[in-house]
Amino acid sequence: DAKTTQPNSMESNEEEPVHLPCNHSTISGTDYIHWYRQLPSQGPEYVIHGLTSNVNNRMASLAIAEDRKSSTLILHRATLRDAAVYYCILRIDNFNKFYFGSGTKLNVKP
Amino acid sequence: DAGVIQSPRHEVTEMGQEVTLRCKPISGHDYLFWYRQTMMRGLELLIYFNNNVPIDDSGMPEDRFSAKMPNASFSTLKIQPSEPRDSAVYFCASSARVQPQHFGDGTRLSIL
Repeated sequence: DAKTTQPNSMESNEEEPVHLPCNHSTISGTDYIHWYRQLPSQGPEYVIHGLTSNVNNRMASLAIAEDRKSSTLILHRATLRDAAVYYCILRIDNFNKFYFGSGTKLNVKP
Repeated sequence: DAGVIQSPRHEVTEMGQEVTLRCKPISGHDYLFWYRQTMMRGLELLIYFNNNVPIDDSGMPEDRFSAKMPNASFSTLKIQPSEPRDSAVYFCASSARVQPQHFGDGTRLSIL
């Protein structure tokens, strides 16, 4: 299994930026880094993914280290609705198979 | 666009009964995935299909579990006979090629 390591939990204040780290030291050159989040009582929801370059979309930004052994999901202004479990996942080469770890539980304080 | 549709949303049944969970993927998606989520084990991939063909069922816990995809718009996950340890939330997801997966809202299964 492709391994990622995330903190169990993090806390943020509303309307402040949040940086969620992920270590993936065994990543190989063709593995994509995906982020999903799971709101309470819902299925996981796609957030963002990337290979080498930093990525931005309407939900978040993904910063990938130059050696690709770590990445950071950035929520620019946390809202209460962003309270969820965030999963960092490696997609191995062209296999469409994900291994979800335990994720980071983000708590957003008003 | 309608998302991934799962039914039922909740199922409570007695040990030994057959349970059938249903999933309708997003139209046009050629991959379909079944996951199980428990507090102890987190989110686990059970099986996935590509173009209605099972590709990897290595996550299916035992022979009591079976999954089928008779056509591109429907899949079932069946447990027979069911046991209390099968209690979990079961998610279905679909994707187009290797694009991001879209998940349904899940079926919360309780085996008494």
